[in-house]
Amino acid sequence: GIQVEQSPPDLILQEGANSTLRCNFSDSVNNLQWFHQNPWGQLINLFYIPSGTKQNGRLSATTVATERYSLLYISSSQTTDSGVYFCAVGDYKLSFGAGTTVTVRA
Amino acid sequence: KAGVTQTPRYLIKTRGQQVTLSCSPISGHRSVSWYQQTPGQGLQFLFEYFSETQRNKGNFPGRFSGRQFSNSRSEMNVSTLELGDSALYLCASSPTVNTEAFFGQGTRLTVV
Repeated sequence: GIQVEQSPPDLILQEGANSTLRCNFSDSVNNLQWFHQNPWGQLINLFYIPSGTKQNGRLSATTVATERYSLLYISSSQTTDSGVYFCAVGDYKLSFGAGTTVTVRA
Repeated sequence: KAGVTQTPRYLIKTRGQQVTLSCSPISGHRSVSWYQQTPGQGLQFLFEYFSETQRNKGNFPGRFSGRQFSNSRSEMNVSTLELGDSALYLCASSPTVNTEAFFGQGTRLTVV
């Protein structure tokens, strides 16, 4: 199956800082999504981005499908950005990375 | 539009029992998938349904089964529960196959 690697595994930020999360995957895919898992366990959709660049407020994402990686940018981080961020890729099923745990300190 | 609804939210079962979890997809979505999340294994694919047919199954024992009804609602069943089945079970729905997936809040199953 497709291997998905996320880095870094943990990220500690001061409020207001910017950060980049990376997702590498082992095969070409038709579907790539970024999620934020809230404290109650629900996966919140951030981006559906098989290729290209998208922005939503302070978050943006870029996927370079030919080089098999995707980046999630968080700008001007807030404490509410804390949590686990997952990258998931695949076709009929999603293969998830292990996640990046982000902690934003006030 | 209502999101994906999973019931129950929490469940405690005894080893050896069986359990049924329910998932109602977003209205109009015809594809439903199930995932298991544990601290040790992360998020793993269980199965995928489209138009009442199981199209794909992950690497789980036969104790894990599921079905999809004509209204796209889905259920998954785990028989002969083991302690290792304790996990967060997440359901996702998509308009059709290979499109953006939207997840429910999950069912947290504890086997004692």
